[in-house]
Amino acid sequence: QVTLRESGPALVKPTQTLTLTCTFSGFSLSTSGMCVSWIRQPPGKALEWLARIDWDDDKYYSTSLKTRLTISKDTSKNQVVLTMTNMDPVDTATYYCARIGSCMTGYFDYWGQGTLVTVSS
Amino acid sequence: EIVLTQSPATLSLSPGERATLSCGASQSVSSSYLAWYQQKPGLAPRLLIYDASSRATGIPDRFSGSGSGTDFTLTISRLEPEDFAVYYCQQYGSSPWTFGQGTKVEIK
Repeated sequence: QVTLRESGPALVKPTQTLTLTCTFSGFSLSTSGMCVSWIRQPPGKALEWLARIDWDDDKYYSTSLKTRLTISKDTSKNQVVLTMTNMDPVDTATYYCARIGSCMTGYFDYWGQGTLVTVSS
Repeated sequence: EIVLTQSPATLSLSPGERATLSCGASQSVSSSYLAWYQQKPGLAPRLLIYDASSRATGIPDRFSGSGSGTDFTLTISRLEPEDFAVYYCQQYGSSPWTFGQGTKVEIK
């Protein structure tokens, strides 16, 4: 079955760079048409889409955050990595990775459990 | 960027009642590329509906989606106790993909 799991630091300081890893199973990012995205949710607030990486290494980013985000994949390890630079307390959120069943669409059919990242000095 | 506005913010209903949730888009959503998710406290969202009206695998038929263009609706025909949660719409018709701010369905 399809599973995704996020990992990374629970606490980062302002101005630091956050690196999150999504480790998945049950599908391969080398399969044509497969994509993975990152989405975040500040406490008590709505969901915000951040970035997407496709099976062919195409990448897409949130307009407002694209200067701070980098998404990459390691197909051999079944992992997708998101880095976010210059972290600020407003970036405190639960960060989710999610699978998109087909890059031609954009709905998220499987989600990880999420990882809470707090930005504080 | 397409802005999605969900209404109402909170819906207070009793089990067995019908719930109607709305999602309005600031521009037309191409190809009706709109999804609905359910989220319970402390859990990740769960896909309910995609392409505006297609139910995801394993979703009960009391959940239905409709709409096109700028107006979309999620209907829960008869609320079960497990349906009280927050519901989000998401458009994937144009980049960047965006979510609505959510509708909380609470027990009256």
